[in-house]
Amino acid sequence: QQQVKQSPQSLIVQKGGISIINCAYENTAFDYFPWYQQFPGKGPALLIAIRPDVSEKKEGRFTISFNKSAKQFSLHIMDSQPGDSATYFCAASNEAGTALIFGKGTTLSVSS
Amino acid sequence: DGGITQSPKYLFRKEGQNVTLSCEQNLNHDAMYWYRQDPGQGLRLIYYSQIVNDFQKGDIAEGYSVSREKKESFPLTVTSAQKNPTAFYLCASSYRGFPQHFGDGTRLSIL
Repeated sequence: QQQVKQSPQSLIVQKGGISIINCAYENTAFDYFPWYQQFPGKGPALLIAIRPDVSEKKEGRFTISFNKSAKQFSLHIMDSQPGDSATYFCAASNEAGTALIFGKGTTLSVSS
Repeated sequence: DGGITQSPKYLFRKEGQNVTLSCEQNLNHDAMYWYRQDPGQGLRLIYYSQIVNDFQKGDIAEGYSVSREKKESFPLTVTSAQKNPTAFYLCASSYRGFPQHFGDGTRLSIL
C-alpha cells in the first residue's frame, strides 16, 4: 500500500533549538519529496523539496536529509523560532505528478 | 499577483443538499487538484485534472464531482451522497506536476 508515515505527531522545542520531523515511505517509485508548512486557517505552503538523487538539501534554516536505502527522509529546522510554530506535512509523489501522498502532519510548538 | 483563490471561505450544507466549492487560479497552471483535510489525517486526494475537459478520481472521490471547462477553474461539488462532508477542502495547482501550490481552503460544515 502506498503510504507516508510521519512522526512525531506533535513536537515542542525551545526557541533556538533544533526541530526534527521524520517520514518513511514504502513505494520505491516515489521520486519527489516535498515538505509543506501550514498555519491555522491557511493552505499548506511549500517549504522545501528534494529528489532521491541527493542526500541533503538546505535552504536557510531548513534542511531535508534523505536516506534512499532506508526509504526515510527528515526535516531539520535549525534555530527554531516561535514563528515556526505550525503544522508540517511531508509528502511523496510519483514522477508523473498525478499523486501527492501526504503524511498525517506534525504540530510544532516553539516556546519562547 | 498570481495565486489560487478559493471561495467561499466558510460554507454550510443542509441535509440532502449539493454544494459547490469554487477554485480559480491565475498562475497559468495546467494541472489542478482537490484535497480533503480532516484533523490529524493529513490531506487526501479527491480529484485531479491535468488538462481542460479531463479529470481523474483520487483516493476518496465517492460523493464528489468536478468539472474542468476552463484552464483557470476547477469547481468541486459535494453531493448529498457524501455522508460525512464536514472537512477543510483545499484546491491546488501545478505546472507539469510540481510543485503544487495551494489555496487557503474552504471549511464546509453541516447545519
